Amino acid sequence: NAGVMQNPRHLVRRRGQEARLRCSPMKGHSHVYWYRQLPEEGLKFMVYLQKENIIDESGMPKERFSAEFPKEGPSILRIQQVVRGDSAAYFCASSPREANTEAFFGQGTRLTVV
Amino acid sequence: GDSVTQMEGPVTLSEEAFLTINCTYTATGYPSLFWYVQYPGEGLQLLLKATKADDKGSNKGFEATYRKETTSFHLEKGSVQVSDSAVYFCALRDSSASKIIFGSGTRLSIRP
Repeated sequence: NAGVMQNPRHLVRRRGQEARLRCSPMKGHSHVYWYRQLPEEGLKFMVYLQKENIIDESGMPKERFSAEFPKEGPSILRIQQVVRGDSAAYFCASSPREANTEAFFGQGTRLTVV
Repeated sequence: GDSVTQMEGPVTLSEEAFLTINCTYTATGYPSLFWYVQYPGEGLQLLLKATKADDKGSNKGFEATYRKETTSFHLEKGSVQVSDSAVYFCALRDSSASKIIFGSGTRLSIRP
């Protein structure tokens, strides 16, 4: 019974490249969340998705960032034309559909832009 | 909108001391409340939760009681250990099954 799987764990990109972060939710979970954490800071909500739908993207920067959760396969957080300020830990979490349930977190992807 | 406010850190205590980390929330509905813990270099792990008023969540010696009248969910432990050193996050998820909202986190360091 695997938990939330994120890959890669570490990702290094040069400025201007694209970063693709993957998240496979726990079995049976239909909701996925993405959060960003800067060093020594808290978690900033980015986006909340169900299968094939974006429910809440109020925390996503308007440009360069996108997220999807297709019917088949993992959820993807995509950052185009990365800049140094994108360097952070990106965490994915998943939960079942039911309200008031907790989310289970992956180990995170640490993105470094050089 | 919904929000969570928790005690600023860092908090430094000696081993076996009593711990309280304060957490208050603002929500329009009837949220579920959570405490998560993050050890260095890792993701967040659920520590405990409470889904309705007056519920007490407990795990590994930690406790928190859902207080609707004071909109609080303070984390307590009677005797902390060095291994409890971590960052603790208070969080809520409202009844509409929306996103989970986190507080800013409290870094806890325990001295031997």
